Amino acid sequence: DGGITQSPKYLFRKEGQNVTLSCEQNLNHDAMYWYRQDPGQGLRLIYYSQIVNDFQKGDIAEGYSVSREKKESFPLTVTSAQKNPTAFYLCASHPGTALAKNIQYFGAGTRLSVL
Amino acid sequence: AQSVTQPDIHITVSEGASLELRCNYSYGATPYLFWYVQSPGQGLQLLLKYFSGDTLVQGIKGFEAEFKRSQSSFNLRKPSVHWSDAAEYFCAVGSLYSGGYQKVTFGIGTKLQVIP
Repeated sequence: DGGITQSPKYLFRKEGQNVTLSCEQNLNHDAMYWYRQDPGQGLRLIYYSQIVNDFQKGDIAEGYSVSREKKESFPLTVTSAQKNPTAFYLCASHPGTALAKNIQYFGAGTRLSVL
Repeated sequence: AQSVTQPDIHITVSEGASLELRCNYSYGATPYLFWYVQSPGQGLQLLLKYFSGDTLVQGIKGFEAEFKRSQSSFNLRKPSVHWSDAAEYFCAVGSLYSGGYQKVTFGIGTKLQVIP
């Protein structure tokens, strides 16, 4: 079945540590996105990538980094510079074509907590 | 800039009762509108979407939404709620930029509680 796989489901970060969240899709989508979800704030865009080897900052990119070396993979690193990383992280993908009638598909999320 | 307002953070309804979740958007052109549902600890699932055409949109699980341009609204409705509908519901507005980048702005969500 086609879809988006996020791992791990739960992740714990120690003070000063970098952690990486995995996002893999087999939908052959060009565009991929990372969102952060906090209670009462909806989803906020961290980074997005329209094509391999290219990515752009979203609304809250500080303290995060990404890479897009393969079409199917878009890992997110939460660096030690992110002082409040506890949140639910969602990865999404989109066909990325000029056709407007497309939707974003979401993974099941990773819950990150600070130890 | 596009934005979405969901004025109700929490709604409680009795099982079998009708439901309406409110959504207002701000967007300069014809918007692409979505409703997503999220169960606890899960990702978002698309309920329905509006791109153009008929302003009454049917979705999955018996949900429907009506696009009203004059009121900048896209309210979600269900005639009879089931206990399994308890979840968080997100309204979203999208736009497509050149190169295929789709910017989607989400509301803060409405948590639905269903009581027996």
